[in-house]
Amino acid sequence: QVQLQQWGAGLLRASETLSLNCAVYGGSFSGYYWSWIRQPPGKGLEWIGEIIPSGSTNYNPSLKSRVTISADTSKNQLSLKLSSVTAADTAVYYCARGDLCSRNSCQLDHWGQGTLVTVSS
Amino acid sequence: SYELTQPPSVSVSPGQTARITCSGDALPKQYAYWYQQKPGQAPVVVIYEDSERPSGIPERFSGSSSGTTVTLTISGVQAEDEADYYCQSADSSGTYRVFGGGTKLTVL
Repeated sequence: QVQLQQWGAGLLRASETLSLNCAVYGGSFSGYYWSWIRQPPGKGLEWIGEIIPSGSTNYNPSLKSRVTISADTSKNQLSLKLSSVTAADTAVYYCARGDLCSRNSCQLDHWGQGTLVTVSS
Repeated sequence: SYELTQPPSVSVSPGQTARITCSGDALPKQYAYWYQQKPGQAPVVVIYEDSERPSGIPERFSGSSSGTTVTLTISGVQAEDEADYYCQSADSSGTYRVFGGGTKLTVL
Protein backbone atom coordinates (compact mmCIF):
# COMPACT_ATOMS: atom_id res chain seq x y z
CA GLN A 1 0.00 0.00 0.00
CA VAL A 2 1.67 3.17 -1.22
CA GLN A 3 1.43 6.10 1.17
CA LEU A 4 2.67 9.66 0.79
CA GLN A 5 3.40 11.48 4.05
CA GLN A 6 3.88 15.24 3.94
CA TRP A 7 5.36 17.63 6.46
CA GLY A 8 6.58 21.19 6.66
CA ALA A 9 5.95 24.60 8.20
CA GLY A 10 2.31 25.59 8.20
CA LEU A 11 2.64 29.29 9.03
CA LEU A 12 4.91 31.68 7.19
CA ARG A 13 5.38 35.42 6.96
CA ALA A 14 5.32 37.22 3.66
CA SER A 15 8.66 37.10 1.79
CA GLU A 16 9.76 33.87 3.50
CA THR A 17 10.40 30.59 1.69
CA LEU A 18 7.88 27.77 1.83
CA SER A 19 9.48 24.37 2.33
CA LEU A 20 7.59 21.08 2.25
CA ASN A 21 8.64 17.45 2.12
CA CYS A 22 6.87 14.30 1.02
CA ALA A 23 8.04 10.79 1.90
CA VAL A 24 6.93 7.73 -0.04
CA TYR A 25 6.26 4.54 1.87
CA GLY A 26 5.29 1.10 0.62
CA GLY A 27 6.39 1.55 -2.95
CA SER A 28 9.19 2.44 -5.29
CA PHE A 29 10.24 6.05 -5.82
CA SER A 30 12.15 5.51 -9.02
CA GLY A 31 10.33 5.32 -12.32
CA TYR A 32 7.45 7.60 -11.38
CA TYR A 33 6.59 11.24 -11.93
CA TRP A 34 6.19 13.24 -8.70
CA SER A 35 4.06 16.36 -8.60
CA TRP A 36 3.09 19.16 -6.28
CA ILE A 37 -0.41 20.63 -6.50
CA ARG A 38 -2.01 23.31 -4.36
CA GLN A 39 -5.53 24.43 -3.55
CA PRO A 40 -6.33 27.83 -2.01
CA PRO A 41 -9.15 27.71 0.55
CA GLY A 42 -12.47 27.29 -1.23
CA LYS A 43 -10.87 27.30 -4.68
CA GLY A 44 -9.71 24.87 -7.33
CA LEU A 45 -6.58 22.82 -7.88
CA GLU A 46 -3.43 24.38 -9.30
CA TRP A 47 -0.55 22.34 -10.66
CA ILE A 48 2.77 23.62 -9.31
CA GLY A 49 5.26 21.34 -11.00
CA GLU A 50 6.80 17.91 -11.23
CA ILE A 51 10.04 15.97 -11.23
CA ILE A 52 10.29 13.13 -13.70
CA PRO A 53 12.32 9.90 -13.56
CA SER A 54 15.30 11.45 -15.35
CA GLY A 55 15.51 14.11 -12.64
CA SER A 56 14.30 16.88 -14.92
CA THR A 57 11.65 19.26 -13.69
CA ASN A 58 8.66 21.02 -15.22
CA TYR A 59 7.01 23.99 -13.57
CA ASN A 60 3.85 26.03 -13.88
CA PRO A 61 4.94 29.08 -15.88
CA SER A 62 3.20 31.39 -13.41
CA LEU A 63 5.34 30.06 -10.53
CA LYS A 64 8.50 29.03 -12.33
CA SER A 65 10.68 31.88 -11.09
CA ARG A 66 9.98 31.00 -7.43
CA VAL A 67 9.68 27.19 -7.41
CA THR A 68 12.20 24.42 -6.90
CA ILE A 69 11.21 20.75 -6.81
CA SER A 70 13.83 18.18 -5.92
CA ALA A 71 14.03 14.53 -4.96
CA ASP A 72 16.25 12.42 -2.75
CA THR A 73 15.87 8.94 -4.18
CA SER A 74 17.98 7.41 -1.40
CA LYS A 75 15.35 8.54 1.10
CA ASN A 76 12.29 8.19 -1.17
CA GLN A 77 11.54 11.86 -0.55
CA LEU A 78 10.26 14.74 -2.62
CA SER A 79 10.69 18.40 -1.72
CA LEU A 80 9.08 21.69 -2.65
CA LYS A 81 10.49 25.16 -2.11
CA LEU A 82 8.57 28.31 -3.01
CA SER A 83 10.37 31.57 -2.39
CA SER A 84 9.09 35.07 -1.62
CA VAL A 85 5.65 33.92 -0.56
CA THR A 86 2.68 36.24 -0.25
CA ALA A 87 -0.85 35.83 1.07
CA ALA A 88 -1.82 34.56 -2.40
CA ASP A 89 0.28 31.45 -1.73
CA THR A 90 -1.96 30.43 1.17
CA ALA A 91 -3.27 27.00 0.21
CA VAL A 92 -3.38 23.31 0.95
CA TYR A 93 -0.36 21.78 -0.74
CA TYR A 94 -0.42 18.19 -1.99
CA CYS A 95 2.27 15.88 -3.30
CA ALA A 96 1.15 13.20 -5.73
CA ARG A 97 2.55 10.27 -7.67
CA GLY A 98 2.17 10.16 -11.44
CA ASP A 99 1.80 6.75 -13.08
CA LEU A 100 0.72 5.41 -16.48
CA CYS A 101 2.26 8.41 -18.17
CA SER A 102 1.57 8.98 -21.85
CA ARG A 103 0.98 11.92 -24.14
CA ASN A 104 2.60 14.30 -21.67
CA SER A 105 0.38 13.54 -18.68
CA CYS A 106 0.12 10.96 -15.94
CA GLN A 107 -2.58 9.56 -13.77
CA LEU A 108 -2.05 11.05 -10.29
CA ASP A 109 -2.94 7.87 -8.48
CA HIS A 110 -1.62 8.48 -4.97
CA TRP A 111 -1.80 11.75 -3.04
CA GLY A 112 -0.40 13.00 0.20
CA GLN A 113 -2.70 14.07 3.00
CA GLY A 114 -2.27 17.74 2.18
CA THR A 115 -0.59 20.47 4.22
CA LEU A 116 -2.25 23.80 4.89
CA VAL A 117 0.26 26.60 4.53
CA THR A 118 -0.87 30.04 5.68
CA VAL A 119 1.07 33.16 4.79
CA SER A 120 0.55 36.15 7.01
CA SER A 121 1.25 39.65 5.86
CA SER B 1 -1.41 30.56 -20.49
CA TYR B 2 -3.39 27.46 -21.33
CA GLU B 3 -6.78 26.94 -19.69
CA LEU B 4 -9.33 24.17 -19.34
CA THR B 5 -12.93 25.34 -18.99
CA GLN B 6 -15.54 23.54 -16.91
CA PRO B 7 -19.06 24.60 -15.85
CA PRO B 8 -19.03 25.75 -12.22
CA SER B 9 -21.93 23.54 -11.24
CA VAL B 10 -24.12 20.66 -12.37
CA SER B 11 -27.22 19.41 -10.57
CA VAL B 12 -29.03 16.11 -11.04
CA SER B 13 -31.51 13.96 -9.18
CA PRO B 14 -30.54 10.53 -7.90
CA GLY B 15 -30.62 7.90 -10.62
CA GLN B 16 -30.23 10.41 -13.43
CA THR B 17 -27.19 10.93 -15.64
CA ALA B 18 -24.73 13.72 -14.96
CA ARG B 19 -22.46 15.06 -17.67
CA ILE B 20 -19.56 17.37 -16.90
CA THR B 21 -17.66 18.92 -19.78
CA CYS B 22 -14.13 20.25 -20.04
CA SER B 23 -12.95 22.30 -23.00
CA GLY B 24 -9.44 23.14 -24.11
CA ASP B 25 -7.67 23.74 -27.40
CA ALA B 26 -5.03 21.07 -26.80
CA LEU B 27 -7.41 18.29 -25.83
CA PRO B 28 -7.36 16.70 -29.31
CA LYS B 29 -3.68 15.89 -28.80
CA GLN B 30 -3.37 15.54 -25.03
CA TYR B 31 -5.04 13.03 -22.72
CA ALA B 32 -7.53 14.18 -20.12
CA TYR B 33 -7.91 12.95 -16.57
CA TRP B 34 -10.81 13.40 -14.17
CA TYR B 35 -10.53 13.72 -10.39
CA GLN B 36 -13.24 13.57 -7.75
CA GLN B 37 -12.70 15.56 -4.57
CA LYS B 38 -14.92 15.42 -1.51
CA PRO B 39 -14.70 18.02 1.26
CA GLY B 40 -11.56 17.76 3.34
CA GLN B 41 -10.12 14.97 1.21
CA ALA B 42 -7.43 14.65 -1.43
CA PRO B 43 -8.60 14.17 -5.01
CA VAL B 44 -9.13 10.68 -6.41
CA VAL B 45 -8.70 9.83 -10.09
CA VAL B 46 -11.90 8.46 -11.63
CA ILE B 47 -10.95 8.53 -15.34
CA TYR B 48 -7.54 8.51 -17.00
CA GLU B 49 -6.45 8.79 -20.64
CA ASP B 50 -9.81 10.27 -21.65
CA SER B 51 -11.92 7.17 -21.08
CA GLU B 52 -10.12 4.57 -18.97
CA ARG B 53 -11.47 3.73 -15.54
CA PRO B 54 -9.03 2.83 -12.72
CA SER B 55 -9.66 -0.32 -10.77
CA GLY B 56 -12.05 0.25 -7.90
CA ILE B 57 -13.96 3.06 -9.63
CA PRO B 58 -17.63 2.17 -10.22
CA GLU B 59 -18.72 1.40 -13.77
CA ARG B 60 -21.19 4.29 -13.68
CA PHE B 61 -18.22 6.61 -14.25
CA SER B 62 -17.18 6.95 -17.89
CA GLY B 63 -15.27 9.40 -20.04
CA SER B 64 -15.34 10.43 -23.67
CA SER B 65 -13.59 12.83 -25.98
CA SER B 66 -14.72 14.79 -29.02
CA GLY B 67 -12.52 17.45 -30.53
CA THR B 68 -11.67 20.12 -28.01
CA THR B 69 -14.11 18.82 -25.39
CA VAL B 70 -13.92 15.89 -23.01
CA THR B 71 -16.88 14.72 -20.97
CA LEU B 72 -17.22 12.89 -17.68
CA THR B 73 -20.48 10.97 -17.51
CA ILE B 74 -21.91 9.55 -14.31
CA SER B 75 -24.82 7.21 -15.02
CA GLY B 76 -27.32 6.46 -12.29
CA VAL B 77 -25.96 9.16 -10.00
CA GLN B 78 -25.91 8.31 -6.31
CA ALA B 79 -25.86 10.63 -3.32
CA GLU B 80 -22.25 9.63 -2.63
CA ASP B 81 -21.21 11.07 -6.00
CA GLU B 82 -21.81 14.61 -4.76
CA ALA B 83 -18.37 16.20 -4.95
CA ASP B 84 -16.15 18.56 -6.90
CA TYR B 85 -14.82 17.20 -10.19
CA TYR B 86 -11.69 18.47 -11.93
CA CYS B 87 -10.36 17.72 -15.38
CA GLN B 88 -6.61 17.82 -15.96
CA SER B 89 -4.48 17.74 -19.06
CA ALA B 90 -1.35 19.20 -20.62
CA ASP B 91 -0.71 22.22 -22.81
CA SER B 92 -0.15 21.69 -26.53
CA SER B 93 3.62 21.41 -26.19
CA GLY B 94 3.34 18.97 -23.31
CA THR B 95 5.50 21.22 -21.15
CA TYR B 96 3.14 21.71 -18.24
CA ARG B 97 -0.07 20.39 -16.78
CA VAL B 98 -3.29 22.23 -16.13
CA PHE B 99 -6.40 21.65 -14.06
CA GLY B 100 -9.82 22.89 -15.02
CA GLY B 101 -11.58 25.22 -12.62
CA GLY B 102 -13.69 22.42 -11.19
CA THR B 103 -17.38 21.53 -11.28
CA LYS B 104 -19.49 21.09 -8.19
CA LEU B 105 -21.88 18.19 -8.68
CA THR B 106 -24.99 18.49 -6.55
CA VAL B 107 -27.30 15.50 -6.12
CA LEU B 108 -30.75 16.93 -5.48
